[in-house]
Amino acid sequence: GESVGLHLPTLSVQEGDNSIINCAYSNSASDYFIWYKQESGKGPQFIIDIRSNMDKRQGQRVTVLLNKTVKHLSLQIAATQPGDSAVYFCAESITGANSKLTFGKGITLSVRP
Amino acid sequence: DTGVSQNPRHKITKRGQNVTFRCDPISEHNRLYWYRQTLGQGPEFLTYFQNEAQLEKSRLLSDRFSAERPKGSFSTLEIQRTEQGDSAMYLCASSLGRSVVSPEAFFGQGTRLTVV
Repeated sequence: GESVGLHLPTLSVQEGDNSIINCAYSNSASDYFIWYKQESGKGPQFIIDIRSNMDKRQGQRVTVLLNKTVKHLSLQIAATQPGDSAVYFCAESITGANSKLTFGKGITLSVRP
Repeated sequence: DTGVSQNPRHKITKRGQNVTFRCDPISEHNRLYWYRQTLGQGPEFLTYFQNEAQLEKSRLLSDRFSAERPKGSFSTLEIQRTEQGDSAMYLCASSLGRSVVSPEAFFGQGTRLTVV
């Protein structure tokens, strides 16, 4: 079937290792950021979000880090599992307006068993 | 299933035909978005509704595209005189606008359009 991750950079990790996925966002006015996971043939699935007044937020097995100085966002996945294999996108928006999302370039995460 | 629902999941059409997609957002979500995604790319914003009002349209949305949300609930996206370049995944998302607690947008599974 089709691959969402066609032509995207790939991060390959061993099952059980930690994964770090990085993203550079474009608009310094953006104040809300989301990481999405997308499996082939499916829509993006919300993972975790962070507002610009924070620099770190933790969820279950995931942590998002925000560095506004260099407009950089990262997603850390602890103890990566085969089910984590997917394409990951960061998205930015400006709240108070229409909050439309601008997506970054996706990264394919491949988990080796 | 209380998520965003899109129909159909797949649509194959001949060039020049008209197609219409439907999106049912999460109930009580007042904001609804349409995005387009081509292979290997992230979703690109097309248009946005707050309740029944269409408040923004991207330059990507040519005059062959029209979207409606007549009662502020479900939305339709119509493409007239389809072209092969319209082949893409069309994604719908909804969110609870102005919510500090849950501002995130939730996506449907998308409608995969293939124009032959």
